[in-house]
Amino acid sequence: GQSLEQPSEVTAVEGAIVQINCTYQTSGFYGLSWYQQHDGGAPTFLSYNALDGLEETGRFSSFLSRSDSYGYLLLQELQMKDSASYFCAVPQAAGNKLTFGGGTRVLVKP
Amino acid sequence: GAVVSQHPSRVICKSGTSVKIECRSLDFQATTMFWYRQFPKQSLMLMATSNEGSKATYEQGVEKDKFLINHASLTLSTLTVTSAHPEDSSFYICSARDPGHRETQYFGPGTRLLVL
Repeated sequence: GQSLEQPSEVTAVEGAIVQINCTYQTSGFYGLSWYQQHDGGAPTFLSYNALDGLEETGRFSSFLSRSDSYGYLLLQELQMKDSASYFCAVPQAAGNKLTFGGGTRVLVKP
Repeated sequence: GAVVSQHPSRVICKSGTSVKIECRSLDFQATTMFWYRQFPKQSLMLMATSNEGSKATYEQGVEKDKFLINHASLTLSTLTVTSAHPEDSSFYICSARDPGHRETQYFGPGTRLLVL
């Protein structure tokens, strides 16, 4: 089976940096993805890591360490619009169905 | 990115009735689509994998006779909640895999079902 653990909630102020950790247990590893979901909305794809290291996309970066079964999503220069839930997810096979972590609710305060 | 639509966005029905939810890939062909259910403040739980031209694959614990899935074309999958009950009230979301980037899934906007 597969399981992913991430913190349930994080609160930060505008302009701050937030790191959301995700640890996973999988029978096989095919990459770690991150999705953002605003209340009442659909999840949107943020990033994907298949190899160790840091992937930077604008204010958001994602890191993976396969030896530690660990990854994180880094949100920099936080803005109010970043208040949302963030999910890490792993596919059961390449390009296959996803298993999601419990989600981390990020609340950005002025 | 690719666009996935869902219809309806919101539905209220009486207990015992059936509800059909459509999921369409608007600008690409999707041989595989996925159906998820999400309860308030919880994560997305995969219900089934919808395969074009063949039977859907259901996750453990999901009743295939209650949640009927049909994937009749490369751009349309439907989920029918049969004999809906209040405990079926939830947010149902479909997704399709990007044919050019297998690691990416595009999600529909979701359908909020309320069974009275």
